[in-house]
Amino acid sequence: NAGVTQTPKFRVLKTGQSMTLLCAQDMNHEYMYWYRQDPGMGLRLIHYSVGEGTTAKGEVPDGYNVSRLKKQNFLLGLESAAPSQTSVYFCAGCGRVSGELFFGEGSRLTVL
Amino acid sequence: DAKTTQPTSMDCAEGRAANLPCNHSTISGNEYVYWYRQIHSQGPQYIIHGLKNNETNEMASLIITEDRKSSTLILPHATLRDTAVYYCIVRSPTIGTASKLTFGTGTRLQVTL
Repeated sequence: NAGVTQTPKFRVLKTGQSMTLLCAQDMNHEYMYWYRQDPGMGLRLIHYSVGEGTTAKGEVPDGYNVSRLKKQNFLLGLESAAPSQTSVYFCAGCGRVSGELFFGEGSRLTVL
Repeated sequence: DAKTTQPTSMDCAEGRAANLPCNHSTISGNEYVYWYRQIHSQGPQYIIHGLKNNETNEMASLIITEDRKSSTLILPHATLRDTAVYYCIVRSPTIGTASKLTFGTGTRLQVTL
């Protein structure tokens, strides 16, 4: 039982390159979230999903896109990476009833 | 979801109880109080949650005031491994709610020898 798994864990990009972060969960979570965390700061919500096929914007959605074609996967895409997107990205899943968030281990992205 | 206010940092001696306060004066009737912690650069970890009664589990105790406008997370015997950033959030886990969970900057707890 893996819980919430993020891939890749580390990535270095050049400005303008694109990439996709994958979040996979085997806990049957309805809700899934993507956060970013910059040094010394709390977590800021990028996008979230309340179910398969649905996504919504969080507080810092610009420059990112997401998709949830399957319930167990939540993808975060950067179409044209910028240095300001250098950050640690966390994915989390949450059940409808419990409200307890389960986080992945994070993906550290550096944009040069 | 209601906003929360926490002190920026706290210190605690190892073996002593760590009491971390959280103010959530705008909490509404169906919102729960959740606590998480983040050790170094790992993903945040769930600790405990409650609605209005005090709660205890193997990690911590949660004391919620009668008016529910504030709460305190208690780590009864803090160890060095409890050094972390602790986040208090309030939310409604209502089925179907598009619940946007937001985390503030939390309280940085430093446990010392």
